[in-house]
Amino acid sequence: SQQGEEDPQALSIQEGENATMNCSYKTSINNLQWYRQNSGRGLVHLILIRSNEREKHSGRLRVTLDTSKKSSSLLITASRAADTASYFCAPISGGSNYKLTFGKGTLLTVNP
Amino acid sequence: EAQVTQNPRYLITVTGKKLTVTCSQNMNHEYMSWYRQDPGLGLRQIYYSMNVEVTDKGDVPEGYKVSRKEKRNFPLILESPSPNQTSLYFCASSLAGRLDEQFFGPGTRLTVL
Repeated sequence: SQQGEEDPQALSIQEGENATMNCSYKTSINNLQWYRQNSGRGLVHLILIRSNEREKHSGRLRVTLDTSKKSSSLLITASRAADTASYFCAPISGGSNYKLTFGKGTLLTVNP
Repeated sequence: EAQVTQNPRYLITVTGKKLTVTCSQNMNHEYMSWYRQDPGLGLRQIYYSMNVEVTDKGDVPEGYKVSRKEKRNFPLILESPSPNQTSLYFCASSLAGRLDEQFFGPGTRLTVL
């Protein structure tokens, strides 16, 4: 399995601003998933983007994928205080390796 | 309601006293896994199971055991807990393996004294 590396490690913005988080990975993928974790709680799946897709939207979330650069970005528009959480990416390779690895995440703080 | 449940949610125990953390899902998922989360180290996979009676090690399996006798349950067993196993533990499941969306339980905060 491969681990995504989220950047930045921490991000602090004001309510209403946009937040962008990035994820880099090392080897080719089948898909890439983004998750959110509110403090001390279980991760919640946000969006899955397949390797043949370049952009995907879900509400205020926009995910892009650049397989040539082995990177993805998550954009949260018009952020709210409730978006305060840690965000993790999980680049998923194909093959028979069934391990699943998460990185250390980006801690987003949205100040009211 | 589709969910993954874990019990207990909080546990304080002492070194060497065997314990089991239960995990159950009601979505008929084939893939289940356990993670531990520690500050600065992110989320690390302990064990996973592709189906009943099929389990394999994740990245940090030492000191843990698992079993998958039924599709819905995937207990995590600490035969002789030690203080370095103090952590936040999560169980997760998915329909068709790691390619799929993972559903996480609420977490179990374990303290080993």
